[in-house]
Amino acid sequence: GAGVSQSPRYKVAKRGQDVALRCDPISGHVSLFWYQQALGQGPEFLTYFQNEAQLDKSGLPSDRFFAERPEGSVSTLKIQRTQQEDSAVYLCASSLGAGRGTEAFFGQGTRLTVV
Amino acid sequence: GENVEQHPSTLSVQEGDSAVIKCTYSDSASNYFPWYKQELGKGPQLIIDIRSNVGEKKDQRIAVTLNKTAKHFSLHITETQPEDSAVYFCAASIGSNFGNEKLTFGTGTRLTIIP
Repeated sequence: GAGVSQSPRYKVAKRGQDVALRCDPISGHVSLFWYQQALGQGPEFLTYFQNEAQLDKSGLPSDRFFAERPEGSVSTLKIQRTQQEDSAVYLCASSLGAGRGTEAFFGQGTRLTVV
Repeated sequence: GENVEQHPSTLSVQEGDSAVIKCTYSDSASNYFPWYKQELGKGPQLIIDIRSNVGEKKDQRIAVTLNKTAKHFSLHITETQPEDSAVYFCAASIGSNFGNEKLTFGTGTRLTIIP
């Protein structure tokens, strides 16, 4: 497809479980971002990749959150030992980046519910 | 860091009337200001953006104005239609040559168009 694709769309996890969320950015996009959107709030920045390099992880809320983009394309956000406060929609966005284009295209998100 | 405030949180307008949403930002280094529309169950979609070297930008029924001195920017939607009903987010970022244009979002405005 032409857009940013995220999977799964919905994930229910028991507290303490590990989860992995996947993002397929638009082909050729250098920049990839993860955001967390709590119910009724605006998205909040988690982390940023330029190709395979994770250049900014200042928004990750704890060391239970880990993101990777090993080949500079697909990215995975992993949350270990999930807690109820992790329940949110996790959005992935990509852009041409590196001075070539700022417009960020968002995926539909993964809604994570921790029970 | 950057802080973006958005008002109002909810807005109802009669079909055909205009809607205005306002945002303020705190970091004078911010230079890119996009507006996103988010429909239920979907990711944010860019509808218009403006850079700090421009005071106003228009695209059909949508316009954005920027006042750098006052650090505020506004979205104007004219001749509103029922399909304009959605949540709208403003955002700000500091564009860089390194491509980390991470966005700081406002808290959103739920716009309802009354037929």
